[in-house]
Amino acid sequence: DQQVKQNSPSLSVQEGRISILNCDYTNSMFDYFLWYKKYPAEGPTFLISISSIKDKNEDGRFTVFLNKSAKHLSLHIVPSQPGDSAVYFCAASARNYGQNFVFGPGTRLSVLP
Amino acid sequence: DVKVTQSSRYLVKRTGEKVFLECVQDMDHENMFWYRQDPGLGLRLIYFSYDVKMKEKGDIPEGYSVSREKKERFSLILESASTNQTSMYLCASGGVKGDSYEQYFGPGTRLTVT
Repeated sequence: DQQVKQNSPSLSVQEGRISILNCDYTNSMFDYFLWYKKYPAEGPTFLISISSIKDKNEDGRFTVFLNKSAKHLSLHIVPSQPGDSAVYFCAASARNYGQNFVFGPGTRLSVLP
Repeated sequence: DVKVTQSSRYLVKRTGEKVFLECVQDMDHENMFWYRQDPGLGLRLIYFSYDVKMKEKGDIPEGYSVSREKKERFSLILESASTNQTSMYLCASGGVKGDSYEQYFGPGTRLTVT
């Protein structure tokens, strides 16, 4: 049973527009959430995180929103750039579980010039 | 700049060999992790460590062991490599930052067992 789901395996967006990547989780104990992007043949790169005491966190072009009641988080990239094309993973953890992060399967984002 | 390094980018070993994968971080993070990544399966946690000499099993610990003798170093050991352990192995370190948490990955080691 997948505790962290990313229901869209792929997404295509025009350059300059907004990219919205979604993630759902089932475990209500999760209290930390992270987003990564991964290029082929490289390790994942940490992008942005959010804890359950917040509902929004911004870092430059990246904003993560957390909706605890819906057990849903999303990553917004504005404006999207061709260099953003990568696979994006969300990951969730519970402090009581010793930061054992559970990853979603990833969404491949393609930003078209 | 955060740095997580892994001892090898590519490794080819024979079935039955003992394999050591080393990971070093310079962020003074308490937690360190070993994952493997396989097509269609995403990232799966093998083991993690939340302190020196402490370790916890992840989702797929069978066939692996780990060692954390120093805070900055976390080793993954394959006692007797098998072909189904051919994979990309990723090390990560993490720790609390402010009211959230950060985790950074190494570049990965692509292990092929023949």
